[in-house]
This record gives sequence, structure tokens and C-alpha cells, in this order.
Amino acid sequence: DSGVTQTPKHLITATGQRVTLRCSPRSGDLSVYWYQQSLDQGLQFLIQYYNGEERAKGNILERFSAQQFPDLHSELNLSSLELGDSALYFCASSVEGRATGEQFFGPGTRLTVL
Amino acid sequence: GENVEQHPSTLSVQEGDSAVIKCTYSDSASNYFPWYKQELGKRPQLIIDIRSNVGEKKDQRIAVTLNKTAKHFSLHITETQPEDSAVYFCAASIKDNAGNMLTFGGGTRLMVKP
Repeated sequence: DSGVTQTPKHLITATGQRVTLRCSPRSGDLSVYWYQQSLDQGLQFLIQYYNGEERAKGNILERFSAQQFPDLHSELNLSSLELGDSALYFCASSVEGRATGEQFFGPGTRLTVL
Repeated sequence: GENVEQHPSTLSVQEGDSAVIKCTYSDSASNYFPWYKQELGKRPQLIIDIRSNVGEKKDQRIAVTLNKTAKHFSLHITETQPEDSAVYFCAASIKDNAGNMLTFGGGTRLMVKP
């Protein structure tokens, strides 16, 4: 158990709908990262938040948005869902200001868009 | 942005043999290179990492080498065991005090045959 929690574990929805994925980082971690892992694809970085502020943006679609709240949990919002958005979405967290850069991954949320 | 290429995409070895996975990166400013292991249906977990001021790092049966000039790094697993079977991802990032945005390679599916 990495200490990072994600809810829900599974999500099944229809095209055009909107969903929210939730992540709670490890205690003390200030950074939260979101990744998308599609079938037969590697891990694609979406976005990073650091202490409530957006820090880095990767290949995140305009239909997707995220935020980090004062208690440091984060939510990833996916709207106008398409079949191609079906994937495993991972959240990771890390401690900043240390030499090691380990990111601890949560168990993931499997999104299925029908 | 950073681009990480990983080879081979699949690797099959006999138990007890060694396995080598290679990655190249494009951004010479990258300074942190982790390797993650992902078992089927599980979260990625860090197995070893190396920073750009070090050429080699070992942890029991696992070692990573880094060639900054050529911009490539490799994972070496000796005396492979069936439980080493998993997908391995290399990654590269520019690590600063606010975190690091990992760019992952495409993954290598390692199969260790008993």
C-alpha cells in the first residue's frame, strides 16, 4: 500500500457524460500528479499540482481539468467523454524538497466509456 | 518536450538468465531517471532510480547504468525469477524542488519462464 488513495476503483459511463476522479496523496506530500494509461500504451502525464497550484501540464485535453484543494486532495474532471477516454487513470504523489524523486502511485481508477 | 524511447517492447528469458532493458531520452536537461515495475492490474512501483551525477547504481539483483553523453540508460536484472515477470517502465524528468514531471517510455513486458 503506497498511502495514496483513489476513488472510485471502477467507473462505467456513457459518451458525452462527465465524471470526477478523486485522489488523496500520502500524508505530508504536497505534489499530486495525474497519469492516463490506455490499453497498449504507456503512462501519459496529464497534470501536476503543487500545494494547491498547477505546476506542470502534459498531454491533457481541454475537456479535462483538475484541481487541488486546501487539504491537498485532488480531483480530475473529465467531460464530454468519448470512447477513447476509456483508460486507467493513476494519481501519484511525492514529497518535495528532497533529493529522491520517488512518486508513489495510487491503485488507479478504471474508466470505461460505453 | 522530453521524449523517451524504450526497447525491447517484449522480452522473454529463462529463469536464472539476465535481462537488459534500454532507454534513450532527448532532453539533455533531464537529471532523474526512475524505473517502475507494474504487475498485471496493479499500480506502478519504483524499483530503482538514478540521478545524473551517478553513472551506476545497484540494489541486489537490479542495477541501472546511465550514459549522459549518449543520453541513454539501462536496467539490468540478474538471476531472473518468475516473480520478475511484469511490465517495466523507464522514465526521465527534470527534478527540482517542486517535483518532477515524469516522461515514461513505452514499457517492456518481461516474461521469465521457469
